[in-house]
Amino acid sequence: SQTIHQWPATLVQPVGSPLSLECTVEGTSNPNLYWYRQAAGRGLQLLFYSVGIGQISSEVPQNLSASRPQDRQFILSSKKLLLSDSGFYLCAWSEDGLNTEAFFGQGTRLTVV
Amino acid sequence: AQKITQTQPGMFVQEKEAVTLDCTYDTSDPSYGLFWYKQPSSGEMIFLIYQGSYDQQNATEGRYSLNFQKARKSANLVISASQLGDSAMYFCAMREGAERDKYIFGTGTRLKVLA
Repeated sequence: SQTIHQWPATLVQPVGSPLSLECTVEGTSNPNLYWYRQAAGRGLQLLFYSVGIGQISSEVPQNLSASRPQDRQFILSSKKLLLSDSGFYLCAWSEDGLNTEAFFGQGTRLTVV
Repeated sequence: AQKITQTQPGMFVQEKEAVTLDCTYDTSDPSYGLFWYKQPSSGEMIFLIYQGSYDQQNATEGRYSLNFQKARKSANLVISASQLGDSAMYFCAMREGAERDKYIFGTGTRLKVLA
């Protein structure tokens, strides 16, 4: 069966510090991978998605970046965090196809102080 | 422009009653899929129900049904016989045929079931 792992669960980082959130998927190959941010009143904002190794599509221009160094690994990074980067970050995967649901990780609660 | 609109930030429903959560969408693609997810306070995302744009009948999954009105571009979630455990955030989402790799979500509706 497929599983998705996302860590860490919580993170408190000072403004200006770097960020690295990691997400890995097991039990499937060539999944679509997604990074979302959830902030109060804004729902789930799609940040990045990837359909293959090294292929990253950015939805929201900001100081975040994403990378997919391996087929089932998706990393969200920042060189310098801003206060506005605080939020709940969710990684997800899905198979290709209109009718395929997304499977989510447990999320990372990021607080930038 | 918003592709998925959920106009109800919060809803209350009495236990055992039915409740409808609204979702409207915007697309010119004739081929698309619509999804509903539940997010309890724990933060996990739980898939509830799916409706395809070419599906002739409204989707149903247990106590969940989707009131799909294609001409109005609405895909409202109906929860019958509400239970206390239904209290959660509910998200509507869409995938369009031409950009099916993208998975777009709405802003969500927070449902509170009252005893």
